[in-house]
Amino acid sequence: DTAVSQTPKYLVTQMGNDKSIKCEQNLGHDTMYWYKQDSKKFLKIMFSYNNKELIINETVPNRFSPKSPDKAHLNLHINSLELGDSAVYFCASSQSVHYGYTFGSGTRLTVV
Amino acid sequence: SQQGEEDPQALSIQEGENATMNCSYKTSINNLQWYRQNSGRGLVHLILIRSNEREKHSGRLRVTLDTSKKSSSLLITASRAADTASYFCATDYNNDMRFGAGTRLTVKP
Repeated sequence: DTAVSQTPKYLVTQMGNDKSIKCEQNLGHDTMYWYKQDSKKFLKIMFSYNNKELIINETVPNRFSPKSPDKAHLNLHINSLELGDSAVYFCASSQSVHYGYTFGSGTRLTVV
Repeated sequence: SQQGEEDPQALSIQEGENATMNCSYKTSINNLQWYRQNSGRGLVHLILIRSNEREKHSGRLRVTLDTSKKSSSLLITASRAADTASYFCATDYNNDMRFGAGTRLTVKP
């Protein structure tokens, strides 16, 4: 069983489109995250949710909107996609500060 | 913003040698974690060291933490070709985890 699963794994889309990436964790963790990894491998936190409540909202464009229907799911919706949004997006979850994070396998988004 | 900085950016060694990677950070932490990322894959948690710990071992991994210097090191002993990957340190403060830029380790057979 995959602990943190993201779909789709690859996403190629045109500029201006709206797309969503889904994330689900079956670990019973309270906190979920979205990270963006750029072409230079830098990982930046975008959002975190704890029990469906937004905790961290880094400086990302308003075009990015996370949605957490329940604590096992944290989806990422992106409006009006731009070339610069091309990156690998990772979902992760954690239980507390005493344990490591569990990451999904990533979604490679390519905007053309 | 990035929290940690790894050093070196890239490291190439022969199989059997030890690999040491360093990480420096700037602010308060609850813990510091190390992750491995194989090319094209997700991140895998390797080890977590809490802010009140100084050293931790897990198999061939040894992590040290010096909170007075705000630095950590990851030692991989008796490296194998399969250890080839990028290694990231990450500092966690109240479930807000920030990553360094990573060290690219290449282990030659």
